[in-house]
Amino acid sequence: EVQLVESGGGLVQPGGSLRLSCTASGFTFSSYAMSWVRQAPGKGLEWVSSISGSGGTTYDADSVKGRFTISRDNSKNTLYLQMNSLRAVDTAVYYCAKDRVAMAANDAFDLWGQGTMVTVSS
Amino acid sequence: DIQMTQSPSSVSASVGDRVTITCRASQGISSWLAWYQQKPGKAPKLLIYAAFSLQSGVPSRFSGSGSGTDFTLTISSLQPEDFATYYCQQTDSFPYTFGQGTKLEIK
Repeated sequence: EVQLVESGGGLVQPGGSLRLSCTASGFTFSSYAMSWVRQAPGKGLEWVSSISGSGGTTYDADSVKGRFTISRDNSKNTLYLQMNSLRAVDTAVYYCAKDRVAMAANDAFDLWGQGTMVTVSS
Repeated sequence: DIQMTQSPSSVSASVGDRVTITCRASQGISSWLAWYQQKPGKAPKLLIYAAFSLQSGVPSRFSGSGSGTDFTLTISSLQPEDFATYYCQQTDSFPYTFGQGTKLEIK
């Protein structure tokens, strides 16, 4: 079955760290760029980070630059988001998402995980 | 950064109605525009990519049009399962940006 399953969310204090994981199955993981998108409670969607299939190229939103790091382990079919220096405004459901086409640019996201909740609060 | 502005923010309609949602980009994005549907507590679902291409498995009552800066999503005949929130997203350049969403409610 083609799917993405996120894990690693939870409650963390301001200034703390958390690492999210997204395990892929049912497709050739290394061929697809992957992304993280978040959604604060009651708010809209916000793109966070993207990474190429090889892992050699990454892009980050200004709101997380220098604090969050996207990475991937193609041998484990797993995408990661290392989140440091967390702030209350980072509280959101975090989704991982797959590009629609292998090794393509400017692509939409055709497969999403179920999301994992991150709450930053003291 | 490219700003995406959707209108309206919310719309009330009845089953069988035709509904159009618009999305405007702050600069030209060619046809690099996607539309997603999201229901409460669920992940977004891709409906349209490259402005007008229907994603596999999506009913043909959904259609997209536009290029450059102005885009539309049309639902030709609303079904009960279509009541949800809809987002546009530009994939022309990073940072990829979403519109603020349009909530489609039952009248």
